Amino acid sequence: GAVVSQHPSRVICKSGTSVKIECRSLDFQATTMFWYRQFPKQSLMLMATSNEGSKATYEQGVEKDKFLINHASLTLSTLTVTSAHPEDSSFYICSARASRAEHQPQHFGDGTRLSIL
Amino acid sequence: AQKVTQAQTEISVVEKEDVTLDCVYETRDTTYYLFWYKQPPSGELVFLIRRNSFDEQNEISGRYSWNFQKSTSSFNFTITASQVVDSAVYFCALSEAPGTYKYIFGTGTRLKVLA
Repeated sequence: GAVVSQHPSRVICKSGTSVKIECRSLDFQATTMFWYRQFPKQSLMLMATSNEGSKATYEQGVEKDKFLINHASLTLSTLTVTSAHPEDSSFYICSARASRAEHQPQHFGDGTRLSIL
Repeated sequence: AQKVTQAQTEISVVEKEDVTLDCVYETRDTTYYLFWYKQPPSGELVFLIRRNSFDEQNEISGRYSWNFQKSTSSFNFTITASQVVDSAVYFCALSEAPGTYKYIFGTGTRLKVLA
């Protein structure tokens, strides 16, 4: 149980392109989803917290207009990197947790490796 | 302030050796949760264990065991009889409750198990 699917797994595109990454909880309803960014050989950096039906909460230093997050249903959150540039190249990982009632662990997707040329 | 320290950046062991990964945390809360995740080369994070601050019992799951000591603010992870498939980056994380359920991750320990 607790499977999180992230798509696509890899994206290579030209500078200026907008890229959408999907994060789906396959066998549970995710009240909260998280988006992380990870640079090579570094830890995960939380970008934003997304609750279903409400606006995402962004961490300090993360541009809201650059990284658009939509959590339209209890099983789907999307991250759109708008007008991506080479410095946006990174590994993006989403996670989801099932319930606010208990301190459930976050379950992670497989990540999306984004390369902007 | 919350903080998670994994002082060991990289560890190399030979297969069948035991290895302990250290995790030290800082928090002002009395209620909090600690987690360990494994990130193999493929990139996904695999949940290994959750421990709440009121449960200091050590836990064993197969070759994995965890030692939680509040007195030293540590939550160490031991792999017994390591295998090549254990090679990965291991992250320790802290989450305070109630709250936003955000994780504070450590910087990770890269474990290389050599055949």
